[in-house]
Amino acid sequence: GQQVMQIPQYQHVQEGEDFTTYCNSSTTLSNIQWYKQRPGGHPVFLIQLVKSGEVKKQKRLTFQFGEAKKNSSLHITATQTTDVGTYFCAGYEGGGSNYKLTFGKGTLLTVNP
Amino acid sequence: DGGITQSPKYLFRKEGQNVTLSCEQNLNHDAMYWYRQDPGQGLRLIYYSQIVNDFQKGDIAEGYSVSREKKESFPLTVTSAQKNPTAFYLCASRVGGSPLHFGNGTRLTVT
Repeated sequence: GQQVMQIPQYQHVQEGEDFTTYCNSSTTLSNIQWYKQRPGGHPVFLIQLVKSGEVKKQKRLTFQFGEAKKNSSLHITATQTTDVGTYFCAGYEGGGSNYKLTFGKGTLLTVNP
Repeated sequence: DGGITQSPKYLFRKEGQNVTLSCEQNLNHDAMYWYRQDPGQGLRLIYYSQIVNDFQKGDIAEGYSVSREKKESFPLTVTSAQKNPTAFYLCASRVGGSPLHFGNGTRLTVT
């Protein structure tokens, strides 16, 4: 079955440093979504990427979808303490009627002020 | 406000007992999901339902059961057959191609 791998598992940075998490799928994805989970909270949707090679930005966050639609990345510029949490990628395989979303294991980001 | 309500927030049970986790949504979403979260394991899919009276097993369905008698409700029963039931359980819903909308979760501890 579909597998979604995410690295690194943990990342500790000093406030102001950049951060990147990478996501790789064993199969081609129809789209990929990114979620953030604050400590003690539930995952919250950040963004969805659909097109091959797509790049989207949200303030200091940059999301990329690979040309082959099998990998994705999330880059945070100049981290802040509010960025602390676990970042998950999640992918849909196949067409829009596929209701099964497979999550990566997530990257836990901690930021030292 | 529309949303997903999971109750209770914390649940304690003795080993060998079945326990049912509640999930209710007023978002009019067709599809509902149950995920289990363990430290360092990400989110693993237990069951999902696309429409009323229909549901499919996810990746770790053994030891769990669900029902979908109403569009708004998707309760999860953790049976005594589940070997390691202590975990954080998340319910989610979506409509069409929209992203998942999660509830606040139920933290189940079985001793």
